Amino acid sequence: AQSVTQPDIHITVSEGASLELRCNYSYGATPYLFWYVQSPGQGLQLLLKYFSGDTLVQGIKGFEAEFKRSQSSFNLRKPSVHWSDAAEYFCAVRNTGFQKLVFGTGTRLLVSP
Amino acid sequence: ETGVTQSPTHLIKTRGQQVTLRCSSQSGHNTVSWYQQALGQGPQFIFQYYREEENGRGNFPPRFSGLQFPNYSSELNVNALELDDSALYLCASSPAGGGLNTEAFFGQGTRLTVV
Repeated sequence: AQSVTQPDIHITVSEGASLELRCNYSYGATPYLFWYVQSPGQGLQLLLKYFSGDTLVQGIKGFEAEFKRSQSSFNLRKPSVHWSDAAEYFCAVRNTGFQKLVFGTGTRLLVSP
Repeated sequence: ETGVTQSPTHLIKTRGQQVTLRCSSQSGHNTVSWYQQALGQGPQFIFQYYREEENGRGNFPPRFSGLQFPNYSSELNVNALELDDSALYLCASSPAGGGLNTEAFFGQGTRLTVV
């Protein structure tokens, strides 16, 4: 069965500092991988996705993620965090033929001045 | 192009009651999925509808049911509400049956509180 682990429940980063959010997945074949962001009380906005090809993918708002098959990881990065990036971040995996997403439990990002 | 819209945004129900949540899919999308997000958790897949048929179901009891209409909008119905049903319910739409190289677009959710 597919599963996603986000080991960090909360992360606090100073504004302007770099960010890396960890995501590990369990899936038997090549997965489709996603990062979503959720502001309080809101729905999910897609930041970026990996389907195939280049393992470093660029997304919106200056985010990027790298797929590492050997480590079963898809970590999200941003070189310089802005206060508006404070939100909950979810990593998700699905198979290639069906739209069911399996989400991690999320990482709450706090940005300090 | 309109996005995914859900109604109502908030709802309070009493234990044992029934509730219907609604979702209008994004223009051109024929696949709708529903997710339940309990407080502090990631979304959990409830079921998916494609061409008005249920096309996959997560680990939810039969009192969670749904419909998809010819215009691809969808309803989620929950009978015999329990306190643990309190959650944010998210609808997501995707094109082309949700298959290869497609992504899901989420609505803002309906916050259901069961008292």
